[in-house]
Amino acid sequence: AQSVAQPEDQVNVAEGNPLTVKCTYSVSGNPYLFWYVQYPNRGLQFLLKYITGDNLVKGSYGFEAEFNKSQTSFHLKKPSALVSDSALYFCAVRGEDTGGFKTIFGAGTRLFVKA
Amino acid sequence: GAVVSQHPSWVICKSGTSVKIECRSLDFQATTMFWYRQFPKQSLMLMATSNEGSKATYEQGVEKDKFLINHASLTLSTLTVTSAHPEDSSFYICSARRGSNTEAFFGQGTRLTVV
Repeated sequence: AQSVAQPEDQVNVAEGNPLTVKCTYSVSGNPYLFWYVQYPNRGLQFLLKYITGDNLVKGSYGFEAEFNKSQTSFHLKKPSALVSDSALYFCAVRGEDTGGFKTIFGAGTRLFVKA
Repeated sequence: GAVVSQHPSWVICKSGTSVKIECRSLDFQATTMFWYRQFPKQSLMLMATSNEGSKATYEQGVEKDKFLINHASLTLSTLTVTSAHPEDSSFYICSARRGSNTEAFFGQGTRLTVV
């Protein structure tokens, strides 16, 4: 069965510093990996995805993520955090072993960026 | 990116009544739509997957007769919470996808409060 883990409930970072939000996954076959961001009382906004190709994926708002097959990780990164990046971030995975290609979400990591 | 509109954004209803939530893909045809439920400070729980013109596939533990899903067209899916009770109060989010290799786009969510 596929699963995705976000080991940190919360990440705190100062504005201007680099940020990393961690994600590891478990699927059979090739994974489809996604990052989404959620602001209070809103739906999820798509940030970036990995399907195939380059391991380093660039997405919206300056975010990027690196696919590491050997470590089964897909950590979200940004070189310089902004206060407006404070939100709830979800990693998601879809695997070939799921009927209907349904997407499973991690528990979410709350990012706080201090000015 | 593609736009998914969910309506209403919030609804308050009396216990025992039914509530319908609509999810529309505004600028693309969605082969698959998903319905999620999100509890406070928790991740998204997939309730069901719906493909246009066929019956929805419900996740284990989700009552089919309580959460009626209709996907009548490639741009519209509805979730009806029947005979709602206070424990059904939650944030419901839909998402839509063009194809199996693409990311999903999310509606803004519906906050349901049953009193």
